[in-house]
Amino acid sequence: ELKVEQNPLFLSMQEGKNYTIYCNYSTTSDRLYWYRQDPGKSLESLFVLLSNGAVKQEGRLMASLDTKARLSTLHITAAVHDLSATYFCAVERAAGNKLTFGGGTRVLVKP
Amino acid sequence: DTEVTQTPKHLVMGMTNKKSLKCEQHMGHRAMYWYKQKAKKPPELMFVYSYEKLSINESVPSRFSPECPNSSLLNLHLHALQPEDSALYLCASSQDLASGSYEQYFGPGTRLTVT
Repeated sequence: ELKVEQNPLFLSMQEGKNYTIYCNYSTTSDRLYWYRQDPGKSLESLFVLLSNGAVKQEGRLMASLDTKARLSTLHITAAVHDLSATYFCAVERAAGNKLTFGGGTRVLVKP
Repeated sequence: DTEVTQTPKHLVMGMTNKKSLKCEQHMGHRAMYWYKQKAKKPPELMFVYSYEKLSINESVPSRFSPECPNSSLLNLHLHALQPEDSALYLCASSQDLASGSYEQYFGPGTRLTVT
């Protein structure tokens, strides 16, 4: 059974500082996704990582994938208040595009 | 159009009621999904439709009945629900596997309360 673990579960950030969210998964997979969810809202796709060594960046967010270590990271550079949200990683299981989500990391950026 | 729409936004129903949730996409996607999300938890996959056929049922109780009338529409019929079924129900869609694009686009969700 595929297990996906995120840490930390909660991250209190100071504006202007850098932080990293980690996503570990238990079985081989070549596809990993990062989503953002604001309170009471739906999920917004941030990154799709499709191969080992993939790195993608959008604004202050950068995601990477190491399939050998079964690890993805979401790096936040110079945090700003607008980044406050819950971030989920999700790993694709066997054929059929079944996603297993990590537990989520709730991010709160304080001034 | 990169939007998945869901109706209603909110639904309150009694345990003896029958109701339906609706989902629609016009992106030409051939895979559609239902997820259930409890508060402060990640989404949990319920059903997957691929080319209008049910391909995955994650052992969901029969009081939840999915239906895919055509490639753009996905319904979730609800009957005799329990209070613990109260949650945010999310619909998502993605292109078919053959196209190599797997990104799932999520709708805004239906907030369901069972009384």
